Amino acid sequence: ELKVEQNPLFLSMQEGKNYTIYCNYSTTSDRLYWYRQDPGKSLESLFVLLSNGAVKQEGRLMASLDTKARLSTLHITAAVHDLSATYFCAVGSGGSNYKLTFGKGTLLTVNP
Amino acid sequence: GAVVSQHPSWVICKSGTSVKIECRSLDFQATTMFWYRQFPKQSLMLMATSNEGSKATYEQGVEKDKFLINHASLTLSTLTVTSAHPEDSSFYICSATYLNTEAFFGQGTRLTVV
Repeated sequence: ELKVEQNPLFLSMQEGKNYTIYCNYSTTSDRLYWYRQDPGKSLESLFVLLSNGAVKQEGRLMASLDTKARLSTLHITAAVHDLSATYFCAVGSGGSNYKLTFGKGTLLTVNP
Repeated sequence: GAVVSQHPSWVICKSGTSVKIECRSLDFQATTMFWYRQFPKQSLMLMATSNEGSKATYEQGVEKDKFLINHASLTLSTLTVTSAHPEDSSFYICSATYLNTEAFFGQGTRLTVV
């Protein structure tokens, strides 16, 4: 059974600071996803990481994938209040890229 | 990007009644749709996988007779919650993919059973 573990589950940080969210998964996969969810809303796709060593950046967010360690990170640089949301990592399974098992999510609160 | 539309966005129903949620792919043919469920402040849990023209595959612990899924066309899948009870209150989200290339999420449906 595929397990996806995220930590931390809660993250309160000040604007301007840096932090990293970690995502570990239990079985082999070469495709990992990061999503953002605002309260009461659906998921917004942030990154799709397709291979070992993949690194993608968008604004203040950077995601990386180490398939050997079964680890992905989402790094936040110089956080701003607008980044406050819940972030999920997810891994495809069951022969489908998009049959997703999600981590529990990280609730990020960026304080002024 | 492609658009997946869910309807309704929210619904309140009485205990014991049934409610249908629609998931439509507006500008592509969705060969596969997935239905997820999210309880407040929790993660998303896959309920079932729906392939066009065939029976849905349900995840372990999901009652197929309670959560009826139909994927009769390449642009529409429906989830019917039958004989709903307060414990079925949740946020239901669909995603749609064409030949496993890229998936798009609907905006979600918040179901409240009173």
